[in-house]
Amino acid sequence: DAMVIQNPRYQVTQFGKPVTLSCSQTLNHNVMYWYQQKSSQAPKLLFHYYDKDFNNEADTPDNFQSRRPNTSFCFLDIRSPGLGDAAMYLCATSKTRDPTSRDQYFGPGTRLLVL
Amino acid sequence: AQKVTQAQTEISVVEKEDVTLDCVYETRDTTYYLFWYKQPPSGELVFLIRRNSFDEQNEISGRYSWNFQKSTSSFNFTITASQVVDSAVYFCALSAPFQGAQKLVFGQGTRLTINP
Repeated sequence: DAMVIQNPRYQVTQFGKPVTLSCSQTLNHNVMYWYQQKSSQAPKLLFHYYDKDFNNEADTPDNFQSRRPNTSFCFLDIRSPGLGDAAMYLCATSKTRDPTSRDQYFGPGTRLLVL
Repeated sequence: AQKVTQAQTEISVVEKEDVTLDCVYETRDTTYYLFWYKQPPSGELVFLIRRNSFDEQNEISGRYSWNFQKSTSSFNFTITASQVVDSAVYFCALSAPFQGAQKLVFGQGTRLTINP
C-alpha cells in the first residue's frame, strides 16, 4: 500500500521548459517536504509545508517553487530548468509536532532529466 | 550549524562479513535526533532507525546494530553477517526540529557493496 506517491517516476524536460512534479500522500500527515538529490550526493532539503505554511530553505534557488492545494497533494514547480537541475527529487511527509512522530516517510522519487 | 560526516565513501566486502559504517555529527542543539536510512538502487529512502540525544543505549535489530556515543559524537551502524541484499547507499542524518517539522541534514552517504 503506497503511502507517499510520486508521479511520474521519470520526467524528461527541455532546457528552460517549465516542469511540475507531483507528490501525494495517504497518511494525512501535516508536513510535506521536497528534497533534491543530485547524482552521488546526499538529499538536500529545498522547502517544506507545515499544513499551509510554506518554509523555504535559504539557499533554494528562486527557480524552484511549490504548491500545496490540500493536505494530500504537494507540487514542485521548476520554472526554467537548467542542466544543473537534473536530479532525483524526493518527497517526504511527517506527522506533527510530537518529536517521536516526526519520522519522515519518503516517496520513491522522480528522476528529472533536462535536455 | 549542523553537519554529518560519513568518511567512508564506498565499502566493499564479501558476503557474510561484518561491516561497520561510520557517522560523526556536529550540532549545538541539546535535543536532537539521529537517523540511518537505506537507499537501494530503486531510489526510495528506507527508514532504519531513529535515536534521540538522551538515549545512548545501543540497539540491535536482527543483523543490524547501532552504537551511539555522545562523547565522540558518533552514531555507527554495523551489519553482521552481511548479505547481497544489503547492498545500497546508506545515509546517516541529523534532525533539527523546526516549528513542528523535522529538517534532516544528511551525510554524504556510504555506498556498500556486498559481493557473493
